[in-house]
Amino acid sequence: AQSVTQLDSHVSVSEGTPVLLRCNYSSSYSPSLFWYVQHPNKGLQLLLKYTSAATLVKGINGFEAEFKKSETSFHLTKPSAHMSDAAEYFCVVREGSSNTGKLIFGQGTTLQVKP
Amino acid sequence: NAGVTQTPKFQVLKTGQSMTLQCAQDMNHEYMSWYRQDPGMGLRLIHYSVGAGITDQGEVPNGYNVSRSTTEDFPLRLLSAAPSQTSVYFCASSSWTGGASNQPQHFGDGTRLSIL
Repeated sequence: AQSVTQLDSHVSVSEGTPVLLRCNYSSSYSPSLFWYVQHPNKGLQLLLKYTSAATLVKGINGFEAEFKKSETSFHLTKPSAHMSDAAEYFCVVREGSSNTGKLIFGQGTTLQVKP
Repeated sequence: NAGVTQTPKFQVLKTGQSMTLQCAQDMNHEYMSWYRQDPGMGLRLIHYSVGAGITDQGEVPNGYNVSRSTTEDFPLRLLSAAPSQTSVYFCASSSWTGGASNQPQHFGDGTRLSIL
């Protein structure tokens, strides 16, 4: 069975400092991995996706994630946090072992950015 | 670009009432799905569809019905609302190339539903 674990429920950084949001996954198949962001009272917006073409994936708004198969990790990073980055972030794996196309969500990490 | 449109944005119901949450997408996506989001539980799949006339159950289907008469629309029906169905509901769509598809899903802004 596939699963996703986000290691921190809450991360607080100062504006201009690096961001690291950690995600580990469990999958018996080559996974399809995504990071989504959710701002208050909004839907989920795709930040980036892992397609197996490259282990370092660049997304929108300066975010990137590195797929490490040996560590079963897909951590999200950004060199310099902006106030507008404050939101909920979800690491997601798309179930590849059946035809449901089901997305399996991590519990979410709330990113707080302090001025 | 409309993308995925959900209506209504907010709704309050009494226990036992029924209602339909609407979802429409204008991207000609084959795959559509409904999720509910509850605090500390992430998003959980309720029902999904891989094309018009085809629907199937997800992780938490009890108390909900869906139909897919057109590619664009995927309404979610609450048959007899219960307080446990108080949640935020998200509709999502994507292109579909089978179960291993890495096509990202596009989400609507959600419907916030309270059952009294």
